[in-house]
Amino acid sequence: GAGVSQTPSNKVTEKGKYVELRCDPISGHTALYWYRQSLGQGPEFLIYFQGTGAADDSGLPNDRFFAVRPEGSVSTLKIQRTERGDSAVYLCASRLGDRSYSEQFFGPGTRLTVL
Amino acid sequence: SQELEQSPQSLIVQEGKNLTINCTSSKTLYGLYWYKQKYGEGLIFLMMLQKGGEEKSHEKITAKLDEKKQQSSLHITASQPSHAGIYLCGALDQTGANNLFFGTGTRLTVIP
Repeated sequence: GAGVSQTPSNKVTEKGKYVELRCDPISGHTALYWYRQSLGQGPEFLIYFQGTGAADDSGLPNDRFFAVRPEGSVSTLKIQRTERGDSAVYLCASRLGDRSYSEQFFGPGTRLTVL
Repeated sequence: SQELEQSPQSLIVQEGKNLTINCTSSKTLYGLYWYKQKYGEGLIFLMMLQKGGEEKSHEKITAKLDEKKQQSSLHITASQPSHAGIYLCGALDQTGANNLFFGTGTRLTVIP
């Protein structure tokens, strides 16, 4: 079956621009996560959705970052006024159900480069 | 928040050798996950440990969680080039937490 997919795989933008990153979770997975991974680091949590609502957005670094999941499936991470420090790999993961111990399945990530 | 320390940061071994990667926390781990990552790819789930003293194996990889649930080890027997990659431990820091906190990873190179 299809895994978690993310588009685009690579995104290069200029400082100050707006970007959108898309995540298609595994069909039927109600939980969706966004993480950010900087070079040489482990992934850092950004936001968690259970269904359509953001159950936990405590990891978003500031108000330039926003994410939506309007129909409880596809999610879009939106970054306004991008800064060079936003350059990283943005990973999406999905999980079946609301049991926190169950496995999170990760997508291949979107590599964002802000020039 | 949870902090996970992984050691070593990088490891180079000859094919066929055994190796161990460690993941240590200052707090009790309520769920410990091991993932493997290759460049340009997402994280591949290996194993999850939940109970103190638990041990799980899959093919040539064995993961253990100590009795105090503050340290986990990942052991690879008779390493192969296909084992190369970055190994990440992730943990839930409290019961009911939904997101994972990750260590910085261990980069494994296996020389044929």
